[in-house]
Amino acid sequence: NAGVMQNPRHLVRRRGQEARLRCSPMKGHSHVYWYRQLPEEGLKFMVYLQKENIIDESGMPKERFSAEFPKEGPSILRIQQVVRGDSAAYFCASSPLDRNNSPLHFGNGTRLTVT
Amino acid sequence: AQSVTQLGSHVSVSEGALVLLRCNYSSSVPPYLFWYVQYPNQGLQLLLKYTSAATLVKGINGFEAEFKKSETSFHLTKPSAHMSDAAEYFCAVSDGGAQKLVFGQGTRLTINP
Repeated sequence: NAGVMQNPRHLVRRRGQEARLRCSPMKGHSHVYWYRQLPEEGLKFMVYLQKENIIDESGMPKERFSAEFPKEGPSILRIQQVVRGDSAAYFCASSPLDRNNSPLHFGNGTRLTVT
Repeated sequence: AQSVTQLGSHVSVSEGALVLLRCNYSSSVPPYLFWYVQYPNQGLQLLLKYTSAATLVKGINGFEAEFKKSETSFHLTKPSAHMSDAAEYFCAVSDGGAQKLVFGQGTRLTINP
């Protein structure tokens, strides 16, 4: 039973390029969350999605960042025109139920480096 | 808004000694509280969770945490540290609906032989 799968594990982009991060939730999970971890900091919520719907994007930067979770395929976090400040670890998590006590299952993250 | 404060960004203990990682939270509603562990270059793994049942929560790898409402605390303990416990530990509170977690800054635990 595969866990949450994220790819790539490491991604290097030059300033101005686009970054696409992929996340396949655990089997049977229909809720996906994206978190960002800046160096020496805790994780910060970015966005919560269900299939074909963005439920809560209150943690997403207003520009350049977007996320989707299509009916088929993985969830995608897209960062356009990356800047050095986007360098961070991006974690995806999934859960089966929309309840407060349903724990999140995290992937191993994508470490984005912007040069 | 809910928040979490972890006291001590780095904690160092000797192998076999007591581990105590501190977490205080603020919440206007009964909270759901979690401890996660992160090993280098890996994702977060759930250690334990508090969901308004027993105030003493037992987790994996011999860890436990006690919810103290009067102190707004949820400290993580382990009676005897093992070298494999070296990692970063995050306390988190559920911020309203679903699993929009608010994380603390993390505490890096080092185990000395």
